[in-house]
Amino acid sequence: QKEVEQNSGPLSVPEGAIASLNCTYSDRVSQSFFWYRQYSGKSPELIMSIYSNGDKEDGRFTAQLNKASQYVSLLIRDSQPSDSATYLCAVKSDFGNEKLTFGTGTRLTIIP
Amino acid sequence: KAGVTQTPRYLIKTRGQQVTLSCSPISGHRSVSWYQQTPGQGLQFLFEYFSETQRNKGNFPGRFSGRQFSNSRSEMNVSTLELGDSALYLCASSLEFRPYEQYFGPGTRLTVT
Repeated sequence: QKEVEQNSGPLSVPEGAIASLNCTYSDRVSQSFFWYRQYSGKSPELIMSIYSNGDKEDGRFTAQLNKASQYVSLLIRDSQPSDSATYLCAVKSDFGNEKLTFGTGTRLTIIP
Repeated sequence: KAGVTQTPRYLIKTRGQQVTLSCSPISGHRSVSWYQQTPGQGLQFLFEYFSETQRNKGNFPGRFSGRQFSNSRSEMNVSTLELGDSALYLCASSLEFRPYEQYFGPGTRLTVT
């Protein structure tokens, strides 16, 4: 089982709709979770971090964390064509494994 | 504030050669991490440096090494290149108190022939 799993997509969402991206992780002691956006041919860019259960909102983006289910998600409201990118979920364990582990990413396409 | 810079941006090497990649972090960032990105494996952690010391290391062979200088600039070296080393090598820097909120450079595209 991979440490961080994401559906590779592609995920196609109409412009203006809500895009929902999901990520599961295997290490129960993981405490820190991040979402990065990577445009084609560019490097990853941090868009959200979440450290405690519940929701965290930043503009059109909402990160949701459920540690009991080992599940973290990213919602993008009012999706725009500029949101078309690959979204990478990253997880950090706080016990003896001081590194970020990335999922392979979900490719999101917003259809005008 | 200038972002993370990496040089060179593109590199073509022959199997068996060695290569050195350079990374300059954002001013004030003392932590530098290196990643390898390939289509099949995604982003794989290589190592992290803080205050000139390697703080964490990923699961890569000893052919991959790095160092950090007193000005926080970092280099990574790959010796005896293999075809499978062809990848995008990304450097990321972060603040001391938020080491996992990382800011990536544009990467160095390495092609091994």
